[in-house]
Amino acid sequence: EAEVAQSPRYKITEKSQAVAFWCDPISGHATLYWYRQILGQGPELLVQFQDESVVDDSQLPKDRFSAERLKGVDSTLKIQPAELGDSAMYLCASSLEGAYGYTFGSGTRLTVV
Amino acid sequence: AQTVTQSQPEMSVQEAETVTLSCTYDTSESDYYLFWYKQPPSRQMILVIRQEAYKQQNATENRFSVNFQKAAKSFSLKISDSQLGDAAMYFCAYRGSGGSNYKLTFGKGTLLTVNP
Repeated sequence: EAEVAQSPRYKITEKSQAVAFWCDPISGHATLYWYRQILGQGPELLVQFQDESVVDDSQLPKDRFSAERLKGVDSTLKIQPAELGDSAMYLCASSLEGAYGYTFGSGTRLTVV
Repeated sequence: AQTVTQSQPEMSVQEAETVTLSCTYDTSESDYYLFWYKQPPSRQMILVIRQEAYKQQNATENRFSVNFQKAAKSFSLKISDSQLGDAAMYFCAYRGSGGSNYKLTFGKGTLLTVNP
């Protein structure tokens, strides 16, 4: 069964450092999402891509977060500089068409110390 | 803005019994989609069931079924014959139908424990 690949699975970084996460969606899925899930809460959308274009990044803290999806395939989410409050699970998901729900990756657990 | 509320932070059920998880939502849209996702300790979110708001018939997937009350904006999940593998965090989610924004709005989740 096709999967959404994410790496790394865990990341510990010191505050003020830069950190990056990678996501490879299911082949052929044009829509890619990055969600942030703080412990004990539901995921919140950070950014949605349709192919290589950003559809929604209204909740992305643009002063420190950036996301790109060059060539409309895999994607990278970057945080610079990291803050203690950025500790969370970062989930990537992809879909062919949103009505049928997404396929999520296993996530990257970020701890900022 | 749409909101999704799950009023039960934790629930428990005996193996083989039935449990119902509650979800309410707020929206001004008439057409939308609702989902239940399961997040086991291994972390990957898995789609359990979905419901299109224009469909009156409640969705069913094997042991999982929903009670969709559009007027009351309620979308509960019933798990029958609960199994140990059903233990997980369950999230209710909403998606509007407009445009190309397929953003899901999630509730805070309900942690389900299944007791042997």
